[in-house]
Amino acid sequence: GAGVSQSPRYKVTKRGQDVALRCDPISGHVSLYWYRQALGQGPEFLTYFNYEAQQDKSGLPNDRFSAERPEGSISTLTIQRTEQRDSAMYRCASSPGQGGYGYTFGSGTRLTVV
Amino acid sequence: GIQVEQSPPDLILQEGANSTLRCNFSDSVNNLQWFHQNPWGQLINLFYIPSGTKQNGRLSATTVATERYSLLYISSSQTTDSGVYFCAVLNTGNQFYFGTGTSLTVIP
Repeated sequence: GAGVSQSPRYKVTKRGQDVALRCDPISGHVSLYWYRQALGQGPEFLTYFNYEAQQDKSGLPNDRFSAERPEGSISTLTIQRTEQRDSAMYRCASSPGQGGYGYTFGSGTRLTVV
Repeated sequence: GIQVEQSPPDLILQEGANSTLRCNFSDSVNNLQWFHQNPWGQLINLFYIPSGTKQNGRLSATTVATERYSLLYISSSQTTDSGVYFCAVLNTGNQFYFGTGTSLTVIP
């Protein structure tokens, strides 16, 4: 597609529910990244993929968070048993390759856990 | 990880004024980018500038990599320039380290 598309745009969920956030990167972009942005802060890295391989998941805060990109295109970030502290903007980005050039962010998913 | 500090944290300008935003970083970097987060939450890439100077219309940026800082200049500011400006750096890995941003408000 023309840009990085994320869905849903907004998600409100009850504490304890699982949520799945979707990212559709720019067509042909090899690398895909997930970031989390708390209110008043800059985005913080969660994980990234080259093609379908998860290269780095050091930023995932705990084992309730997981991500996949099974066919090297669309990616899903899943949060299990959500907690209020998970409330944040979740941003996806993609790039043609490594090194950060051509990094493009999606509009994000605003997650609110009540 | 790399520490990124931005200043000032908040800035209010009259339309037409000029401003300079600063970004200091704690280690050598291979990539530095400036982003603008508009009031609708979109994060727009302004400059890819690991070193040197670039200009794009009313915006320009300079990075002095040896001294570990970058500057973003906004001239003749407009209300549409309002939002949060982030500096982000990348070293040997593939994750960007973001500063906490400069929140800019341009008043008519």
